[in-house]
Amino acid sequence: QQQVKQSPQSLIVQKGGISIINCAYENTAFDYFPWYQQFPGKGPALLIAIRPDVSEKKEGRFTISFNKSAKQFSLHIMDSQPGDSATYFCAANDRGSTLGRLYFGRGTQLTVWP
Amino acid sequence: EAGVVQSPRYKIIEKKQPVAFWCNPISGHNTLYWYRQNLGQGPELLIRYENEEAVDDSQLPKDRFSAERLKGVDSTLKIQPAELGDSAVYLCASSLQGRPYEQYFGPGTRLTVT
Repeated sequence: QQQVKQSPQSLIVQKGGISIINCAYENTAFDYFPWYQQFPGKGPALLIAIRPDVSEKKEGRFTISFNKSAKQFSLHIMDSQPGDSATYFCAANDRGSTLGRLYFGRGTQLTVWP
Repeated sequence: EAGVVQSPRYKIIEKKQPVAFWCNPISGHNTLYWYRQNLGQGPELLIRYENEEAVDDSQLPKDRFSAERLKGVDSTLKIQPAELGDSAVYLCASSLQGRPYEQYFGPGTRLTVT
């Protein structure tokens, strides 16, 4: 059973546009929600993260929106650039597991056309 | 600062053969993780170490997989014997103790079992 459900599976956006990736979860023991960015042949890299007591976090062109009551969170990439083309994974940390465990979504392959 | 180092980067073996992967985490990171990433999927945890102790190995297929972290630094993941379904990217990650939501990943080892 997928602990974190991510959509869409793939996304094509024009340069300068807004990319939006959505994730949902059910486990109320999740206490931290990071996003990872992965380029081909590389390992995932931490991009931005949010705690459930915050509704929004912005770092540069990247913003996480968090809706605790709906158990949903999303990544917005403003002014998307070709260099943003990568696979994005949402994740959730389960504080109920021994010292925590990250569960990842299936990933969204983002392509930004120049 | 050097990141997480993994070797080899690629490995092709025939089924029923053994294979081993090596990981050197970021200096000072007591927590080390091994993940398996199937094509088009997010990483899935196999085992987590706190120093030398495996604190979460519930997802490790113990009939054929083994891991060790003898001195609390480097780690080795072994598969013996390998099966066709083991073809995947094996990722190593590390984090500071108590911060499982801020993991740093290595580039991974792409294993192909023929």
